[in-house]
Amino acid sequence: GAVVSQHPSRVICKSGTSVKIECRSLDFQATTMFWYRQFPKQSLMLMATSNEGSKATYEQGVEKDKFLINHASLTLSTLTVTSAHPEDSSFYICSARVAGGPTDTQYFGPGTRLTVL
Amino acid sequence: SQQGEEDPQALSIQEGENATMNCSYKTSINNLQWYRQNSGRGLVHLILIRSNEREKHSGRLRVTLDTSKKSSSLLITASRAADTASYFCATSTSGSRLTFGEGTQLTVNP
Repeated sequence: GAVVSQHPSRVICKSGTSVKIECRSLDFQATTMFWYRQFPKQSLMLMATSNEGSKATYEQGVEKDKFLINHASLTLSTLTVTSAHPEDSSFYICSARVAGGPTDTQYFGPGTRLTVL
Repeated sequence: SQQGEEDPQALSIQEGENATMNCSYKTSINNLQWYRQNSGRGLVHLILIRSNEREKHSGRLRVTLDTSKKSSSLLITASRAADTASYFCATSTSGSRLTFGEGTQLTVNP
């Protein structure tokens, strides 16, 4: 149980285009999902906290107009990288917290590798 | 500010040996968790230790927590080649927000 999927697993796009990444909780409902970014050989950095039915909370330094987050249902959050640039190339990982479950437990997706040419 | 810092950054050992990784943090925490990440993959949760616990075991894993020193260690005993991965500590202060350390890249040579 507690499986989180991400789609796509890998995407290559041209500079200036927008890319949408989906994060789904497959067998549980998630009122809260988290989006992280990980550069090569570095740690995960929290970008934003996504709450179902409300606006996402962005970490300091993360542009909310560039990284659009939508959490329209209890099983789906999307991250859209708008007007992508090569420096946005990174590994994006989402996690989800079980609705009504322990607040200190997150289940992670397998990640999405974004390459912007 | 960086919450979790780990050492060593990289560790290479022979199969069968024990591997010890350390994590230090700066602020008070509710709990500390260890995760494993295989190259290019998502994170796998290994173990969670709460601030009022000092030691926890799970299979070949042993985690200690010293809140007075704001540090934790992860010991993997009798390592296997399949243990090769990056290991991250993550601290939680309130709610479920996690702050990750820099990670230790473990290589277990057959």
